[in-house]
Amino acid sequence: DTAVSQTPKYLVTQMGNDKSIKCEQNLGHDTMYWYKQDSKKFLKIMFSYNNKELIINETVPNRFSPKSPDKAHLNLHINSLELGDSAVYFCASSQGFRNIQYFGAGTRLSVL
Amino acid sequence: SQELEQSPQSLIVQEGKNLTINCTSSKTLYGLYWYKQKYGEGLIFLMMLQKGGEEKSHEKITAKLDEKKQQSSLHITASQPSHAGIYLCGAESSNNDMRFGAGTRLTVKP
Repeated sequence: DTAVSQTPKYLVTQMGNDKSIKCEQNLGHDTMYWYKQDSKKFLKIMFSYNNKELIINETVPNRFSPKSPDKAHLNLHINSLELGDSAVYFCASSQGFRNIQYFGAGTRLSVL
Repeated sequence: SQELEQSPQSLIVQEGKNLTINCTSSKTLYGLYWYKQKYGEGLIFLMMLQKGGEEKSHEKITAKLDEKKQQSSLHITASQPSHAGIYLCGAESSNNDMRFGAGTRLTVKP
């Protein structure tokens, strides 16, 4: 069974649309993350979240919002998609902060 | 913020050769992580180092953290095509998030 799974794997959409990426982990971890990897392969943290604390990277536009229905899920909602949002988005989880993070396979988002 | 510099940016080696990838921080590292990424896939955890002078090995890969906890090296012995990929170092910052270096793209020629 995949430890951290993301859906969809590929997402192609028009500018201005609203979309969601789902992430689920079956590791029993209490902390989850969203990262963005741009075309130059830079991997940057977007959000860190557990049931006590949400840490938002200050560079993330407020069109992006994480939503966690329960500890095993952290979905990423994106409103009014822009061309610059095209990237690969990775979900990860860990047991608490400052611990090994396990990554999903990524969602490749293309905004046309 | 924690900035990590990796070198080299890319590396092409002949199969069987040894190689080293470096990761340098401007600040003391709380924890240093090495990950490997293959094209179209997520990051695979390799090793975590926390103590100054610490060294860990897994199969043909050895990672070290210097005494000052500001530099780490990843050494691959007798490289194989299966070692090819992008190697990323990551470090915890003071506000609990993980910052990554830009990555080192390794190509191993058979």
